[in-house]
Amino acid sequence: AQSVTQPDIHITVSEGASLELRCNYSYGATPYLFWYVQSPGQGLQLLLKYFSGDTLVQGIKGFEAEFKRSQSSFNLRKPSVHWSDAAEYFCAVRPNNNAGNMLTFGGGTRLMVKP
Amino acid sequence: DAMVIQNPRYQVTQFGKPVTLSCSQTLNHNVMYWYQQKSSQAPKLLFHYYDKDFNNEADTPDNFQSRRPNTSFCFLDIRSPGLGDAAMYLCATGGPPSDEKLFFGSGTQLSVL
Repeated sequence: AQSVTQPDIHITVSEGASLELRCNYSYGATPYLFWYVQSPGQGLQLLLKYFSGDTLVQGIKGFEAEFKRSQSSFNLRKPSVHWSDAAEYFCAVRPNNNAGNMLTFGGGTRLMVKP
Repeated sequence: DAMVIQNPRYQVTQFGKPVTLSCSQTLNHNVMYWYQQKSSQAPKLLFHYYDKDFNNEADTPDNFQSRRPNTSFCFLDIRSPGLGDAAMYLCATGGPPSDEKLFFGSGTQLSVL
């Protein structure tokens, strides 16, 4: 069964600093990969996704993620964090076939931004 | 404009008192999902509908049921809520299995007293 691991439960960065959130997956084949963001008390918003092709994908709000097959990783990055980026971030996977588009989520990383 | 709408935004119920959460969508998607998200945890899939076909996750308790009377609406029924069922419940929709992403509602935060 597929699984997703986000090793960092909490991360604190200073506003303006760069950010990298880690995500590793375990799956028989390369799944489809996603990053979602969740503000407190809100639903999930899709930041970006990887299906195939260019391993560096751009998303909304200045985020990007890089798929590294050899490391089974899909880390999320942002060059300069804004205070409004404070939220919970979830990495997710789904099978890369037509079996369905239900997602398996990682445990999440809570980002805090210092002024 | 909201495309996946969950009502109510906050729901308080009593221990053992049945409660129903609702979800509606304007996307005409085939698939609707219910996820449970407990505090500081990842969302966990409870079940989903592909059109009228109901698919239950193996570890979803029998206490949780769902109804989908038509394409637009889906309901989550908790027959006898326990304290451990307090959580955020997220509804999501998706197109055909080849579609690329899910659309999430804002969730219903359920409290059990």
